[in-house]
Amino acid sequence: DAGITQSPRHKVTETGTPVTLRCHQTENHRYMYWYRQDPGHGLRLIHYSYGVKDTDKGEVSDGYSVSRSKTEDFLLTLESATSSQTSVYFCAISDTSGSVFGPGTRLLVL
Amino acid sequence: GESVGLHLPTLSVQEGDNSIINCAYSNSASDYFIWYKQESGKGPQFIIDIRSNMDKRQGQRVTVLLNKTVKHLSLQIAATQPGDSAVYFCAEISPLGGGGNKLTFGTGTQLKVEL
Repeated sequence: DAGITQSPRHKVTETGTPVTLRCHQTENHRYMYWYRQDPGHGLRLIHYSYGVKDTDKGEVSDGYSVSRSKTEDFLLTLESATSSQTSVYFCAISDTSGSVFGPGTRLLVL
Repeated sequence: GESVGLHLPTLSVQEGDNSIINCAYSNSASDYFIWYKQESGKGPQFIIDIRSNMDKRQGQRVTVLLNKTVKHLSLQIAATQPGDSAVYFCAEISPLGGGGNKLTFGTGTQLKVEL
């Protein structure tokens, strides 16, 4: 969807390095989410935000932090990347019902 | 292609036939469900939703059926087309603290349309 962009779209990094993924929306939606997608697990919620500076943990938050300093941007940071964080990461936004997903970021941690 | 396609149940149908994709859910208190379509290399895309006060809802070429007694959803696609080839997920919607909704996804079904 043109209303959500993610950057970078692909990244290769080494174990132990910090990584930040960015999600940008132009829809002015209040809620933003980060999910990861892995074989056999579907999509799982990492963190979410319900407003500027308001964030909370999802079901797989260990090893991740987030920040939201502006309505339109939601950042996901891997403080020290591990191989288990190799995945496809999706940002999503919502207003009152279902979520709209971004195009995804494919991350490979070597 | 997407590594999420590995280990998925697969449904193969002929072009023009109807497709039925099934999904079981676990939480009897769930009252809102969404079907998503995910094409290779893309994010999930909303198809149709249904709330628990309904047992059927129709869209363009798609119908969702909800059986609360056995906690089962199905997505029916009429006259399946090659562009329908994708992974299909059902998702249960539940509220989050602070507002917003969490989607709990199944592992998905790979639909392959044969010409």
